[in-house]
Amino acid sequence: AQTVTQSQPEMSVQEAETVTLSCTYDTSENNYYLFWYKQPPSRQMILVIRQEAYKQQNATENRFSVNFQKAAKSFSLKISDSQLGDTAMYFCAFMIPLGEYGNKLVFGAGTILRVKS
Amino acid sequence: GAGVSQSPRYKVAKRGQDVALRCDPISGHVSLFWYQQALGQGPEFLTYFQNEAQLDKSGLPSDRFFAERPEGSVSTLKIQRTQQEDSAVYLCASSQAGGPEGNTIYFGEGSWLTVV
Repeated sequence: AQTVTQSQPEMSVQEAETVTLSCTYDTSENNYYLFWYKQPPSRQMILVIRQEAYKQQNATENRFSVNFQKAAKSFSLKISDSQLGDTAMYFCAFMIPLGEYGNKLVFGAGTILRVKS
Repeated sequence: GAGVSQSPRYKVAKRGQDVALRCDPISGHVSLFWYQQALGQGPEFLTYFQNEAQLDKSGLPSDRFFAERPEGSVSTLKIQRTQQEDSAVYLCASSQAGGPEGNTIYFGEGSWLTVV
């Protein structure tokens, strides 16, 4: 079974500091995609960052970067210079194929991040 | 449209009522997904369409749940005889490609269903 585990239900960080959110996953696939989504109280799922498993280089998007360890099946998200607007629920997600014709996301349970002023 | 649009945003239904939730995906997107998100949990996959074909409905929790996308664009998720455990946010998402390659999936703001 394909599963995604986020072991931190809640995290807090001071504004301007750095925080790392953990995610591990389980799969027998070799080629796959991993994502971090942000969900503010409005419930809109916003894509933060994406990583292709075949790429060794860790993805980076402005203040957001990942530490992708394929052998360990680990995919953590680092947020630098945290801002109050980063307060949200963060979901790690793993993309799996649906036969030959598509794919779907499997989500972890989420981590609530609170940025404090 | 510019993004995935869902309606209604909020729906309160009495137990036993039927509800219909609408999703208008990003124009040109082949793939369309429905997810159910209970309070405090991650989204759970319900069903997947490629154009008008429903290729996977393995996540639909019971035969009270039905989804359609008759013209390969707008989709409707129908829940018959609603029960309290159906209370959740129903998220619709779409992506451009229909193949197995990874593609970014874009989500709507969700339809919040409360069954009383």
